[in-house]
Amino acid sequence: NAGVTQTPKFRILKIGQSMTLQCTQDMNHNYMYWYRQDPGMGLKLIYYSVGAGITDKGEVPNGYNVSRSTTEDFPLRLELAAPSQTSVYFCASGAGPIGTEAFFGQGTRLTVV
Amino acid sequence: GEDVEQSLFLSVREGDSSVINCTYTDSSSTYLYWYKQEPGAGLQLLTYIFSNMDMKQDQRLTVLLNKKDKHLSLRIADTQTGDSAIYFCAESTFSGGYNKLIFGAGTRLAVHP
Repeated sequence: NAGVTQTPKFRILKIGQSMTLQCTQDMNHNYMYWYRQDPGMGLKLIYYSVGAGITDKGEVPNGYNVSRSTTEDFPLRLELAAPSQTSVYFCASGAGPIGTEAFFGQGTRLTVV
Repeated sequence: GEDVEQSLFLSVREGDSSVINCTYTDSSSTYLYWYKQEPGAGLQLLTYIFSNMDMKQDQRLTVLLNKKDKHLSLRIADTQTGDSAIYFCAESTFSGGYNKLIFGAGTRLAVHP
């Protein structure tokens, strides 16, 4: 049972570089989310999607972009990496809107130096 | 604004009960959740309670909800070393045009012999 799969698990970026965090789910969920988790803080919602072709901003979208061309995939793009984006990123999916159970990936630990 | 607060650390002896506390601010929350995060893993839904309930029991887990004080607790009976993890409290809330989950910073539970 794959569930929600994120790649890579770890990454170090230099300031100004760009990268894409991959997320795929095999549960046919319509809802997908990207969160970031900073040390000692709760998870903050970056972007979410309610279905293929539909995305919307969460609480902390600045510096990120997403796309949702298929039900399964929800990549998160960082265009110009900044130290403030050093964090652990979690992708999640769910059958219904937030408020129903969300299934999380294992996370991507990103360091920007 | 929305906020979920929980203490950051809890240490218990194996076999004792653990009680993890959480306070939240949105009185209109419909669901309140407890998620567990083991080292190197994503968040996993442990249990949840609907806002019109006072208590929910699931094997070793007991969730108590005090809506008047906006206080949620998770009791783990007969705590085992395998319960060592970070426990996140979360509330579902509707704001800014969408439903979202607001997470606390997490309580790190350490179980010692």
